[in-house]
Amino acid sequence: GNSVTQMEGPVTLSEEAFLTINCTYTATGYPSLFWYVQYPGEGLQLLLKATKADDKGSNKGFEATYRKETTSFHLEKGSVQVSDSAVYFCALSWANGNQFYFGTGTSLTVIP
Amino acid sequence: SAVISQKPSRDICQRGTSLTIQCQVDSQVTMMFWYRQQPGQSLTLIATANQGSEATYESGFVIDKFPISRPNLTFSTLTVSNMSPEDSSIYLCSVADRNTGELFFGEGSRLTVL
Repeated sequence: GNSVTQMEGPVTLSEEAFLTINCTYTATGYPSLFWYVQYPGEGLQLLLKATKADDKGSNKGFEATYRKETTSFHLEKGSVQVSDSAVYFCALSWANGNQFYFGTGTSLTVIP
Repeated sequence: SAVISQKPSRDICQRGTSLTIQCQVDSQVTMMFWYRQQPGQSLTLIATANQGSEATYESGFVIDKFPISRPNLTFSTLTVSNMSPEDSSIYLCSVADRNTGELFFGEGSRLTVL
């Protein structure tokens, strides 16, 4: 079946540190892959996405590359800021978004 | 994109009572989705609400506990019935962009049941 596995948190980093949050998926075929972010007290917002193999999604300094060979979509940022403190969810979807599968979420705290 | 408004944003409820959450979308959509996010956990799909037909519930969720209305293409409600402390969660309304496959979310309704 379809599933998403992401790195367990919580993750605590100092400002300007490098961030990697691992995400791997199980699916047949080529789903679309997403990273969503949930800031404290808010709903989920799309951070970035990739719809086919080798695509790189990027936004706000975050990047993730759709790797079919390793079934991965790891989130990276070269220099995190305090404002990046949030929960990050990896997800995959089929059928134009009508079937969505979320990872468990990874909490990130960035300290000054 | 879609802008989704949910009400209430938060509420504190007594055990045994029911609460209805409203979701308004700024465009017409065929399907609306209701998710639950329990404290510190990921999202779980409760049901898919189609306009003009009965909602489709996921395993573990039943209509008597979570009745859903979908009177038109821009509005839906989710009722949490006969609440218990285990129902304390964030409830999220969402819609999908059929062109991009992206899911858009409302701000969520944070329920605390005492």
